[in-house]
Amino acid sequence: DSGVTQTPKHLITATGQRVTLRCSPRSGDLSVYWYQQSLDQGLQFLIQYYNGEERAKGNILERFSAQQFPDLHSELNLSSLELGDSALYFCASSVVLAGGSGEQFFGPGTRLTVL
Amino acid sequence: AQRVTQPEKLLSVFKGAPVELKCNYSYSGSPELFWYVQYSRQRLQLLLRHISRESIKGFTADLNKGETSFHLKKPFAQEEDSAMYYCALPMTTDSWGKLQFGAGTQVVVTP
Repeated sequence: DSGVTQTPKHLITATGQRVTLRCSPRSGDLSVYWYQQSLDQGLQFLIQYYNGEERAKGNILERFSAQQFPDLHSELNLSSLELGDSALYFCASSVVLAGGSGEQFFGPGTRLTVL
Repeated sequence: AQRVTQPEKLLSVFKGAPVELKCNYSYSGSPELFWYVQYSRQRLQLLLRHISRESIKGFTADLNKGETSFHLKKPFAQEEDSAMYYCALPMTTDSWGKLQFGAGTQVVVTP
């Protein structure tokens, strides 16, 4: 599959724990975005990386962090988890450059359940 | 700040009937608008963007700058159109691509 991949598909954990979500962008895409989708907040932009550098931050909590590695895969780290962090986390990638909004290709998402 | 409003959470239509999903936006500058769709058990995918001025799967969307709207329309809905639809635009004019999504509209097409 040459599309965006995300692992794991499902994650169940307890409050206070820390988890890492992984994303591999499409081949050739330098930009990676993370979004959070919850019932009450909808689809919210969290953070963007471009070629290994952080480019933009959205509504990302301080307990959350991300990075993009030299091979362009990205990880989203969520710590001190709370019940409200339960959501679907999407990764997307694109070849977008500044000043334009190219098509974003989404992964299947990771469903996080915090008990 | 840029904002996207989709006033309808749920739209239920009969097969063969017209369907229109509303999207209103606020944006400083010339917006680039998108419709994304998420079919059941599938990933979110781009349906169409206004700069393309194309029709995808029978859907069209016209950007109306005067009314700041980008409504999605299809004259004859099909059962396979049942999905979640999101209107989106760049979050800022120097956005580097990050998107602001509307709350989404669930479309249910019944036979």
